[in-house]
Amino acid sequence: GAVVSQHPSWVICKSGTSVKIECRSLDFQATTMFWYRQFPKQSLMLMATSNEGSKATYEQGVEKDKFLINHASLTLSTLTVTSAHPEDSSFYICSARGTAQSSYNEQFFGPGTRLTVL
Amino acid sequence: GENVEQHPSTLSVQEGDSAVIKCTYSDSASNYFPWYKQELGKRPQLIIDIRSNVGEKKDQRIAVTLNKTAKHFSLHITETQPEDSAVYFCAASRGNSGYSTLTFGKGTMLLVSP
Repeated sequence: GAVVSQHPSWVICKSGTSVKIECRSLDFQATTMFWYRQFPKQSLMLMATSNEGSKATYEQGVEKDKFLINHASLTLSTLTVTSAHPEDSSFYICSARGTAQSSYNEQFFGPGTRLTVL
Repeated sequence: GENVEQHPSTLSVQEGDSAVIKCTYSDSASNYFPWYKQELGKRPQLIIDIRSNVGEKKDQRIAVTLNKTAKHFSLHITETQPEDSAVYFCAASRGNSGYSTLTFGKGTMLLVSP
């Protein structure tokens, strides 16, 4: 149980285009989803937290107009990188937490999306 | 906010030896401490976690200890094997609200030589 999928697994795009990444909880309802960015040989940096049906809460320094997050259902959240630039190239990972884990903060991670902006 | 420090950044051991990774946290209200293993290009995998109401937890070759007074927790891997080679992250979290977040340490690259 507690499987999280992400799509696509990798994407290459031209500078200035927008890229959408999907995160799905396959066998549980994710009341909260998290989006992280990970640069090579570095730790996971939280970008934003989204609760189903609410606006996402962004971490300091993360531009909400550039990284659009939608969490319209209990099984799907999307991250759209708008007007992507080479510096946005990174490994983007989502995680999900359901009601069963809400007493603590156990999160289940997706496989990640490797974004390369040319 | 929470701050998690993790040491060492790299750890090399011989197969069969034990490995210990240590983390400290700053927020005394933190109550959940997971450890993740991440292989190159893969997702972080939860390997063990501990909650603030216990001091130690063990799962086969892996154990975690928590000292709430000193605000530190450690991962212990015994009888290491080459497949244990990966980056290990500790994390800390407080509360149970919808906005409770995990704060990660910087990671430890564990290399187990045959």
